[in-house]
Amino acid sequence: EVQLVQSGAEVKKPGESLKISCKGSGYSFTNYWIGWVRQMPGKGPEWMGVIYPGDSDTKYSPSFRGHVTISADMSIATAYLQWSSLKASDTAKYYCARGVGAEPSGADYWGLGTLVTVSS
Amino acid sequence: DIVMTQSPDSLALSLGERATINCKSSQSVLYSSNNKNYLAWYQQKPGQPPKLLLHWASTRESGVPDRFSGSGSGTDFTLTISSLQAGDVAVYYCQQYYSTPWTFGQGTKVEIK
Repeated sequence: EVQLVQSGAEVKKPGESLKISCKGSGYSFTNYWIGWVRQMPGKGPEWMGVIYPGDSDTKYSPSFRGHVTISADMSIATAYLQWSSLKASDTAKYYCARGVGAEPSGADYWGLGTLVTVSS
Repeated sequence: DIVMTQSPDSLALSLGERATINCKSSQSVLYSSNNKNYLAWYQQKPGQPPKLLLHWASTRESGVPDRFSGSGSGTDFTLTISSLQAGDVAVYYCQQYYSTPWTFGQGTKVEIK
């Protein structure tokens, strides 16, 4: 069974760093892209970026480039999303999602989300 | 960026009625070399992640009821729910994956009248 298991909810202060994770199981991790999606309270989803674990090629949305880093550790089938300096506006739920294949496609499996709260 | 615009923003229908949701992209998402439309439809219920219903504009995901169908090409697409059921109450999003950044529509909320 394909699963994406995300790390737990986080409460942070502005300026702090954070790294959240997404562990894939039940499939060959290197053969499917993993993407990160932000969903702010009451709003629609936004793609932040995508990583292709096979070659670690990463594409960022311009809205998020420079503010977050997407990475993956193939040896433990885990993708990461990290911030070096959080802002209050980063408060949101963050989902990881897997592509239907290695090429651009819809996302057929999703994690349950990691709620990140940034507040002083 | 490709802008995805959905209409209507919300609709309320009776059980068994047909629901039609439109999605328009600011540029074509049809890739000429393979004649595929790089468009997906998702359903999101409260407190849940989005669920992929269709990709390539009209290919239904495994397990998705056949009352959900997709049509269109180029810049204009439609998601149709042929006979609305209570469990279909959700927000529906279209999303293009033709070019980065991938982008979602603003969503269409479907309710029961």
